[in-house]
Amino acid sequence: GDSVTQTEGQVALSEEDFLTIHCNYSASGYPTLFWYVQYPGEGPQLLFRASRDKEKGSSRGFEATYDKGTTSFHLRKASVQESDSAVYYCALSDPGANTGKLTFGHGTILRVHP
Amino acid sequence: GALVYQYPRRTICKSGTSMRMECQAVGFQATSVAWYRQSPQKTFELIALSTVNSAIKYEQNFTQEKFPISHPNLSFSSMTVLNAYLEDRGLYLCGARLGLGTYEQYFGPGTRLTVL
Repeated sequence: GDSVTQTEGQVALSEEDFLTIHCNYSASGYPTLFWYVQYPGEGPQLLFRASRDKEKGSSRGFEATYDKGTTSFHLRKASVQESDSAVYYCALSDPGANTGKLTFGHGTILRVHP
Repeated sequence: GALVYQYPRRTICKSGTSMRMECQAVGFQATSVAWYRQSPQKTFELIALSTVNSAIKYEQNFTQEKFPISHPNLSFSSMTVLNAYLEDRGLYLCGARLGLGTYEQYFGPGTRLTVL
């Protein structure tokens, strides 16, 4: 079945550091890829998505590029802020199945220190 | 924008009792609604997916007998946790999808279930 792997379970950075969270996926067909962010006490919020190879999604300074060759969708931000502290989830939806089911990674806890 | 409300935000029930939670899409019509449970370890488990004009599809380890879902219209869904026990605790999330040609889901804030 489909799966999403996030390499980092936790990331601790200082403000203005560069962020990378690695995401690799395994799916049949051509999945749509997402990044969600979840703040304490809230549900996941969609950051952005990408649907085809080499497409870049971006929002709020975060970005990721769909790479079918390496089956990756790594999240990056050039300069993090304390307010970016949250849990980040990579997810996929397989449009070929059209079930509407999202498969999530286990999440990466980002802590940004002032 | 697309907003999803969930009610209640928190609930506590005694072991063996049942509780009902609601999900409301505001500003859009949800062609499908997915119910997830997020464990204390933050992982997501899909419970069931309800799509307009289709039967509700439950994932393995989740049954209609335990988690009956009602999806009477395109903006409202409810799920009941019957005979709740300690292993049912967690954050129950509702994810609504705008249209059959779209794939992103918009989530509510969740209903946190504590079982005593």
